Amino acid sequence: DAKTTQPPSMDCAEGRAANLPCNHSTISGNEYVYWYRQIHSQGPQYIIHGLKNNETNEMASLIITEDRKSSTLILPHATLRDTAVYYCIVRERGSGTNAGKSTFGDGTTLTVKP
Amino acid sequence: GAVVSQHPSWVICKSGTSVKIECRSLDFQATTMFWYRQFPKQSLMLMATSNEGSKATYEQGVEKDKFLINHASLTLSTLTVTSAHPEDSSFYICSARDRALFAYEQYFGPGTRLTVT
Repeated sequence: DAKTTQPPSMDCAEGRAANLPCNHSTISGNEYVYWYRQIHSQGPQYIIHGLKNNETNEMASLIITEDRKSSTLILPHATLRDTAVYYCIVRERGSGTNAGKSTFGDGTTLTVKP
Repeated sequence: GAVVSQHPSWVICKSGTSVKIECRSLDFQATTMFWYRQFPKQSLMLMATSNEGSKATYEQGVEKDKFLINHASLTLSTLTVTSAHPEDSSFYICSARDRALFAYEQYFGPGTRLTVT
């Protein structure tokens, strides 16, 4: 899997948008960008994923640059419960041997402050 | 959404004993499950890939004789930590890959906290 780099930590004020960047400059054409978050002592929680188009769901928006070398996860109105470690992962999707195999980087610790 | 469970959620065992952790996909079939280990303040590290009906594939540096993986059915994989030592104390997380046609998404379990005394 391609390596991703994320800032180690970020702060965000409650109610404001949290923008979490991720660099994945070696992403290959068949790899998707996935975002997960992990709240202390829990398993990772899926947030969103995309290939090359911007995506939005009830939790967040994902903006992927045209060259696919970086992306940004946007939490539009951060709450205290969004405090967590956020992981950006690139991996294959489909039936290949490596599909579904996630390699985690260090992630970004997001702290939402009142 | 798809749910993956782990049992137990936490376990304390004495050094030298073995501990079995179960990972179940509750509402989907998973031909592939992944086992991760996470030490405090560190990221998840992939230990092995478990394939139903075949031998697991271990990542470099992971002792296959110490971490026994069995994936006997499409909904259950087990990880047995044999002759556990305090350095094996960690948070163990499994994930399961949905084999449904064109799905192949990955879902994570809640994790199992192992403490070896």
